[in-house]
Amino acid sequence: NAGVTQTPKFQVLKTGQSMTLQCAQDMNHNSMYWYRQDPGMGLRLIYYSASEGTTDKGEVPNGYNVSRLNKREFSLRLESAAPSQTSVYFCASSEWTDYYEQYFGPGTRLTVT
Amino acid sequence: QKEVEQDPGPLSVPEGAIVSLNCTYSNSAFQYFMWYRQYSRKGPELLMYTYSSGNKEDGRFTAQVDKSSKYISLFIRDSQPSDSATYLCAMRGGTSYGKLTFGQGTILTVHP
Repeated sequence: NAGVTQTPKFQVLKTGQSMTLQCAQDMNHNSMYWYRQDPGMGLRLIYYSASEGTTDKGEVPNGYNVSRLNKREFSLRLESAAPSQTSVYFCASSEWTDYYEQYFGPGTRLTVT
Repeated sequence: QKEVEQDPGPLSVPEGAIVSLNCTYSNSAFQYFMWYRQYSRKGPELLMYTYSSGNKEDGRFTAQVDKSSKYISLFIRDSQPSDSATYLCAMRGGTSYGKLTFGQGTILTVHP
């Protein structure tokens, strides 16, 4: 099992460019999440998908869109990148249990210049 | 004010020391409490979880929750260099499904 995979691992964008971060999980989990991690800020939830076919905003959704393509895949799109979106992005998945243990991918390091 | 506050450190201790990591929170609806460990340039992984108040022990790790004080702790006994990582507390309410609120993370270094 690969767990949660993310592509790309690194990306540099210019302000105004767009890109899509890809995430896939092979654990048959219902729920998937996108976080960003900035120094001193911990993990902040951007969007989540409780189940296939549903998506909801998290704490910091502005400037992002998501697509739950199927049960395995959950993508995050930046339509017009801004320097404030420079961050490390993590995708995670979980099953519907008491603790909703979240399994994280290795992250995508994004720099917007 | 953030819902969950965690001292970011950094914390540096000698091998064998007892480490105490703490978080405070303001949302009384939180019922499930977790600690995640994150090694450098990796994704976080679940270390321990507890429900409501009380203690839970797993090897060298003990998690404590005091809901009356809105305070949670993680203790690491006989700390090892391999414990060097960022530790993030996380919590959720009973009806928030998978949505977790994370603390800022504490950077811990255990030196030989």
